[in-house]
Amino acid sequence: GAGVSQSPSNKVTEKGKDVELRCDPISGHTALYWYRQSLGQGLEFLIYFQGNSAPDKSGLPSDRFSAERTGGSVSTLTIQRTQQEDSAVYLCASSSLAGRVRSKQFFGPGTRLTVL
Amino acid sequence: GESVGLHLPTLSVQEGDNSIINCAYSNSASDYFIWYKQESGKGPQFIIDIRSNMDKRQGQRVTVLLNKTVKHLSLQIAATQPGDSAVYFCAEYEGTGFQKLVFGTGTRLLVSP
Repeated sequence: GAGVSQSPSNKVTEKGKDVELRCDPISGHTALYWYRQSLGQGLEFLIYFQGNSAPDKSGLPSDRFSAERTGGSVSTLTIQRTQQEDSAVYLCASSSLAGRVRSKQFFGPGTRLTVL
Repeated sequence: GESVGLHLPTLSVQEGDNSIINCAYSNSASDYFIWYKQESGKGPQFIIDIRSNMDKRQGQRVTVLLNKTVKHLSLQIAATQPGDSAVYFCAEYEGTGFQKLVFGTGTRLLVSP
């Protein structure tokens, strides 16, 4: 597509429920990233995919968080047993290069998650 | 640990003025920096980038300056317009590993007509 898309744009859930957030990267981009942005804060790195593999999962805050990417395209971020502190905007980005080459990352509009 | 930070949380300017947003970084091994603009309710938008082998790079109405001696980065916006009002983040690629961007906390730019 023309840009990175994410769905849903907003998600309200109850504490303890599981949620799935979806990211569609720019067509042809091999690298995909998930970030979290709490209110009024900068972006916190969560996980990075190169193709379908995730060489860097260092940012996932707990084992309740997981992500997968299939077919080298769409990615899903899953949060199990959501907690109120999980409330944030979850942003996805993609870039055309991967590995150790630095490249621009293009961001989607984000999913605003609210855990009641 | 290594971090990227900003000096001013809010910058207020008049339309037509030039704006300068500053950023300090602490990782001397960083070799690539990016400035992003984020409007309310939207994802960060790429503005301009610079590699460590350069001191200055210009785009349309924007200029990024890199001072590696004092580990300082700045974004200059010429003839600031109301549409430039947003939060601006500098971001740094961390270390020599993978594509992990480290973001500062952001500076809010407010442009008055």
